[in-house]
Amino acid sequence: DIQMTQSPSSLSASVGDRVTITCRASQSISSYLNWHQQKPGKAPKVLIYAASSLQSGVPSRFSGSGSGTDFTLTISSLQPEDFATYYCQQSYSTPPTFGQGTKLEIK
Amino acid sequence: EVQLVESGGGLVKPGGSLRLSCAASGFTFSSYSMNWVRQAPGKGLEWVSSISSSSTYIYYADSVKGRFTVSRDNSKNSLSLQMNSLRDEDTAVYYCARGERRIDYWGQGTLVTVSS
Repeated sequence: DIQMTQSPSSLSASVGDRVTITCRASQSISSYLNWHQQKPGKAPKVLIYAASSLQSGVPSRFSGSGSGTDFTLTISSLQPEDFATYYCQQSYSTPPTFGQGTKLEIK
Repeated sequence: EVQLVESGGGLVKPGGSLRLSCAASGFTFSSYSMNWVRQAPGKGLEWVSSISSSSTYIYYADSVKGRFTVSRDNSKNSLSLQMNSLRDEDTAVYYCARGERRIDYWGQGTLVTVSS
């Protein structure tokens, strides 16, 4: 199975900050990388697919980049509703595997 | 609008069984692979099982292989997960999720608690 490793595991930031979360795959996954956002007590929601494509309805302050083994999720200007946990997920091979999550907290 | 609604969760004793269901609407269910993904309390997301659109290909996580069985009824737009020989470590919220490897929609989840 492909292992996905996110960093950092947690992050404190302020409204308006620019934030970057990193995800690394244990082998090359081309651009088969997706990002999901999960708020407490809620189901995950897809933000980005194919490494850099924004899911319909997702604000443009979210962006993704990378290919091969190294990927990033960037939030250009944090809003109060962005404080949540973020998971990367590879869709290159079965089983689809997730990173351990990055919890984004208010500073 | 795509909707995935899980049901069937609850409290069950170790060694017991439970059957989860997922009702799909808003898309052509028979055209999509489906998944079950779970999340233990305070933990991350763990893929459990996948089933292809026509049930030809079925996959399980090693942690549930031999105990869980996934199935679907395309005539009823329904996905199921039969869980047998449940263990404490199966306690989690179980999500139904659409997609072949790339998950693009999630249900709201149903809580399964395994405890004596």
